[in-house]
Amino acid sequence: KNEVEQSPQNLTAQEGEFITINCSYSVGISALHWLQQHPGGGIVSLFMLSSGKKKHGRLIATINIQEKHSSLHITASHPRDSAVYICAVTKGAQKLVFGQGTRLTINP
Amino acid sequence: NAGVTQTPKFQVLKTGQSMTLQCAQDMNHNSMYWYRQDPGMGLRLIYYSASEGTTDKGEVPNGYNVSRLNKREFSLRLESAAPSQTSVYFCASSLSGIANNEQFFGPGTRLTVL
Repeated sequence: KNEVEQSPQNLTAQEGEFITINCSYSVGISALHWLQQHPGGGIVSLFMLSSGKKKHGRLIATINIQEKHSSLHITASHPRDSAVYICAVTKGAQKLVFGQGTRLTINP
Repeated sequence: NAGVTQTPKFQVLKTGQSMTLQCAQDMNHNSMYWYRQDPGMGLRLIYYSASEGTTDKGEVPNGYNVSRLNKREFSLRLESAAPSQTSVYFCASSLSGIANNEQFFGPGTRLTVL
């Protein structure tokens, strides 16, 4: 079993829909990262969080440390949100363990 | 700021050839990382450098060597390339570790070993 599991693996939605991507992990962590990988391949850090909730524009990330679970929400989704979203958890001070990613497609 | 830069963007090698992937960052970050990304496997850490002068193995170090040339530059060397090393390689950096700092990624190098 992978230490970091994401669901769903693939998600297709219509423009404007509310999107939720889930991440569950099995190890103790100090922080969790959400990353976005564009269709062209580039990777961008979206959030780093260790408790509670963070918001940036239409993106919201939450984490429940006790339940070892995090969610990434996108409100009013747009075709430009189409990307692979990757969850990663810290393993020590220098190592990240990555989930396999969720491929999101938003249709106009 | 250019952020994290990688060269080359694409490379094709024959089995047994050697090459060095270059990475540089201009953000004065202490920590640098090399990852490989394979279909269905997610990103996996090859080597990292917590600070200038130090390097450590990650999850999949076999077949690779690294050099932290200075604070800015962290190179990855394949001494004798094998088809199993066909992958997309990403360099990343962070201010100091990843427990409290976000990572910044380079654009990636797509390597094919024939």
